[in-house]
Amino acid sequence: NAGVTQTPKFRILKIGQSMTLQCTQDMNHNYMYWYRQDPGMGLKLIYYSVGAGITDKGEVPNGYNVSRSTTEDFPLRLELAAPSQTSVYFCASSYSDNAFFGQGTRLTVV
Amino acid sequence: KNEVEQSPQNLTAQEGEFITINCSYSVGISALHWLQQHPGGGIVSLFMLSSGKKKHGRLIATINIQEKHSSLHITASHPRDSAVYICAAFPGGSRLTFGEGTQLTVNP
Repeated sequence: NAGVTQTPKFRILKIGQSMTLQCTQDMNHNYMYWYRQDPGMGLKLIYYSVGAGITDKGEVPNGYNVSRSTTEDFPLRLELAAPSQTSVYFCASSYSDNAFFGQGTRLTVV
Repeated sequence: KNEVEQSPQNLTAQEGEFITINCSYSVGISALHWLQQHPGGGIVSLFMLSSGKKKHGRLIATINIQEKHSSLHITASHPRDSAVYICAAFPGGSRLTFGEGTQLTVNP
């Protein structure tokens, strides 16, 4: 049982480049989330999904897009990377009060 | 005002000390999580509480639903306990709401 798997673990992007952070869970959880964590700060919700085909904005959605075509996958897309998006990104899933986190993706935009 | 507030934000202790981290929340919840994040970033769920008290090794978590308050205690603290501890409220099948975290440093 792999839990929540995020890829890549690290990435450096140039300003204006695009990339997709992948998140997969094998627990058949309906709820999935993307958070970002800036240095010394708490976790902030970017987007979340309550099931396949349904997504909604969190606190800090600007500059990001998501899709949820399957229960397992919840990719996060950065279209035009900006230095302000330098952060650590965490994907999570939950079911009935239990939450599981991916290992995080450390993204630097230069 | 954040829906979930932790105190203190930073805590430095000497090895062996008893440590308490507090969490207050203003939302109705079905469960509350205590999470641990080590340097290097991975987040691990320590406890999920909906009432009462749970114990795992040197860690104890309590929750008072009426007062909307939870505490995480570490007995006989050790330098390897140094991490960020995060309280997260679960408002019933919806998204988690996080506290800002408490940075704990335990010195030898």
